Parts: sequence; C-alpha cells; structure tokens
Amino acid sequence: KNEVEQSPQNLTAQEGEFITINCSYSVGISALHWLQQHPGGGIVSLFMLSSGKKKHGRLIATINIQEKHSSLHITASHPRDSAVYICAVYNTDKLIFGTGTRLQVFP
Amino acid sequence: DAGVIQSPRHEVTEMGQEVTLRCKPISGHNSLFWYRQTMMRGLELLIYFNNNVPIDDSGMPEDRFSAKMPNASFSTLKIQPSEPRDSAVYFCASSLSRARPSFGSGTRLTVV
Repeated sequence: KNEVEQSPQNLTAQEGEFITINCSYSVGISALHWLQQHPGGGIVSLFMLSSGKKKHGRLIATINIQEKHSSLHITASHPRDSAVYICAVYNTDKLIFGTGTRLQVFP
Repeated sequence: DAGVIQSPRHEVTEMGQEVTLRCKPISGHNSLFWYRQTMMRGLELLIYFNNNVPIDDSGMPEDRFSAKMPNASFSTLKIQPSEPRDSAVYFCASSLSRARPSFGSGTRLTVV
C-alpha cells in the first residue's frame, strides 16, 4: 500500500465544472504539497499546507490532519487546468509523492 | 530570479556511457533535491542535500548513481555506467528549509 494515495487516477470534466481531487496519507507529516505538472513536464508547487484551508484564485486546498486527508478543489474549471496534479507529503524532511491525478478539461 | 536551472534538457546516450546531469538551485535556498520520474513509478526522491551536505541518499538506486554538491550554487547527478532502465526525467528542486520547493524543468534522459 502506497504511503500517499490519490483519487481518482484520471478525471475528465467539462469546462465550468467543479473538480475535487483527493489525497490520503498514512505517515506522519509536517506539511503537504499540491503540485501541478503540465503536459510539457514542468512541475509547479501550488500549495503547501499543514492545517486548514488555502485559496489561490480558482484553486482551494484543504487538509484534515486527524483524518490524514487533503483535497484540492478547482472551481469553474477551464481547459488550461488540464494537467497532472500530484499530492506530496513532507515526512522527516523528505517529500513522498502520490501517483498523481490526470485531469482533462474539455471545452 | 531565473529559478532552478537544469542542464541539459535532453540527453540521449548509449548504454555504458557516463551521464552527468547538472543543477543550479535558486540563490539563497539551502535544500536541494534530485528526483526521478518514470511512467511506472512516478516521482521518486533520489537524494537531498541540506547546506551542501547529503542528508538522505536512500533513494539512490545503486552504486552507479552518485551526486555531489560542491557549493551552494551547483549540484551534479552522475550515472556511470548508464543502462536503458535509467531512462527517465530527472528533476532538481530547491527550497529554503521546508518551504515550498521550486522545480527545474527537468532533464529527459534516454539510454539506448
């Protein structure tokens, strides 16, 4: 069993839909990251959070430390949101990655 | 700041050859990470440095892999001898302690 699990693995949506990607982890963490990797391959850090909720534009990330669960929400999705979204947790100074969620948003 | 700079962007080499990947972290960042990404295994941490000192190299696949960080502004990942199964995208990332890491654009390595 992976220490960081994401669901779903693949997700398709119509433009404008509300999207949720889930991440569950089984190890102790000091922080959790949400990363975005576009088809060109570059990786961008979207959020780092250790409690509560963070919002940036149409993106919202939440974390529940007790339940060891985090969600990434995208409101009013757009085709340019199409990417792989990766959850990663900081465990003893190391990032442990989930396998990613591939999102495709169609116009 | 130009961000984390990796070179080369693409590398194609023959099995058995030595390969050296390079990384220039963001100035002021004290942590540097080398990751490998494959279709089968996703992103994996190979090694990370803190203040130029290797802290954890447990992710380095085998002795053919070595990494150095001679100063705060440069790191290398070397594979000698290379094998086809080393084909992957290698990412370098840097951060200030446990802050959000910044990733380089990656080096796509193909070993034929």
